[in-house]
Amino acid sequence: GQNIDQPTEMTATEGAIVQINCTYQTSGFNGLFWYQQHAGEAPTFLSYNVLDGLEEKGRFSSFLSRSKGYSYLLLKELQMKDSASYLCAVRDQTGANNLFFGTGTRLTVIP
Amino acid sequence: DSGVTQTPKHLITATGQRVTLRCSPRSGDLSVYWYQQSLDQGLQFLIQYYNGEERAKGNILERFSAQQFPDLHSELNLSSLELGDSALYFCASSVVMQSEAFFGQGTRLTVV
Repeated sequence: GQNIDQPTEMTATEGAIVQINCTYQTSGFNGLFWYQQHAGEAPTFLSYNVLDGLEEKGRFSSFLSRSKGYSYLLLKELQMKDSASYLCAVRDQTGANNLFFGTGTRLTVIP
Repeated sequence: DSGVTQTPKHLITATGQRVTLRCSPRSGDLSVYWYQQSLDQGLQFLIQYYNGEERAKGNILERFSAQQFPDLHSELNLSSLELGDSALYFCASSVVMQSEAFFGQGTRLTVV
């Protein structure tokens, strides 16, 4: 089975940096994904890590440590439009490579 | 626009009824996934198809069924609907099973 944990809610200030953590347990790890979801809208793909280390993509970076079952998403220079839920998802090759999602972290950016 | 198309966008129906949700994956994508998202809940995996074949089932009720057709579009059938089935139903697709998935805009189902 899969177990994915994220904080439920976070608040950060416009212009600041925020780190959203995700811990996971899965029997057949085959990649970790981060998605952004605004309320009532579709999740949109942000980043993908399959090897340990940091992946940077503009204001967003994602880190993975497979030995610790740990990832984080780093958002820099926060903007009001970054207020959304951030979903950590693990691909499990024992489950036909399905994507299993955590419950998400709701980020509120304040002025 | 992700390229994944879901219809209808909204659906209101009565308890006990049956509905069909439709998904057209991105061009070239062979894998289709269905997810259910209830209010303030995470995405719950329902079922996955790859190139027309069922590959995995998640927490899908027996009242629900799905299929993927030769043209790769997929349909999710929900029957004997209950109030608790009210949710957003998302379809996602990926090129192969290992790659990132792209989501459609979802179908908001309301059972009254």
